[in-house]
Amino acid sequence: NAGVTQTPKFQVLKTGQSMTLQCAQDMNHNSMYWYRQDPGMGLRLIYYSASEGTTDKGEVPNGYNVSRLNKREFSLRLESAAPSQTSVYFCASSGHRDASDTQYFGPGTRLTVL
Amino acid sequence: QKEVEQDPGPLSVPEGAIVSLNCTYSNSAFQYFMWYRQYSRKGPELLMYTYSSGNKEDGRFTAQVDKSSKYISLFIRDSQPSDSATYLCAMSGNAGNNRKLIWGLGTSLGVNP
Repeated sequence: NAGVTQTPKFQVLKTGQSMTLQCAQDMNHNSMYWYRQDPGMGLRLIYYSASEGTTDKGEVPNGYNVSRLNKREFSLRLESAAPSQTSVYFCASSGHRDASDTQYFGPGTRLTVL
Repeated sequence: QKEVEQDPGPLSVPEGAIVSLNCTYSNSAFQYFMWYRQYSRKGPELLMYTYSSGNKEDGRFTAQVDKSSKYISLFIRDSQPSDSATYLCAMSGNAGNNRKLIWGLGTSLGVNP
């Protein structure tokens, strides 16, 4: 099993460009999450999906959109990238319908917005 | 005040030392307590998971929860250079708004050979 995979690993964008970060899990988990991690700020939840067909805002959703494509895949889209979105993005999944269960993380995407 | 407080360190210890990492929290509804380890430029990985109060041991690692003091600890015995990483605590409650994982900022640990 690959666990949680993310693509791309690195990306450099110019301000105003758009991109989609892809995430897939092969653990048959119901819930999936997108976080960003910044120095001194820790992990902050952007969006999550408790089950296929549902998505909810987390702590810092502004500037992002998500799609739960199917049970395996959860994508994060930046419609018009801003320098403040320079960060490391992690996708995670968990086996239960809510966010209280343990989460398993992907390797991350390092995004730089110039 | 943050819901979960964790000293960011850095903490530097010699190989073989006993390490104590701690988090305090304010929400008495938290029931699930986790410790994650994150190596540089990698994703967090689950290290220990405990429900409610008490201790849990796994090899050189012991997780301790004191709900009366709202305090959790991770002890590492016989620390190794391979333990050098950032350790994050995370916790959540049972229902409603308490379901999301609340994260500490992480403590950076260096174990020197």
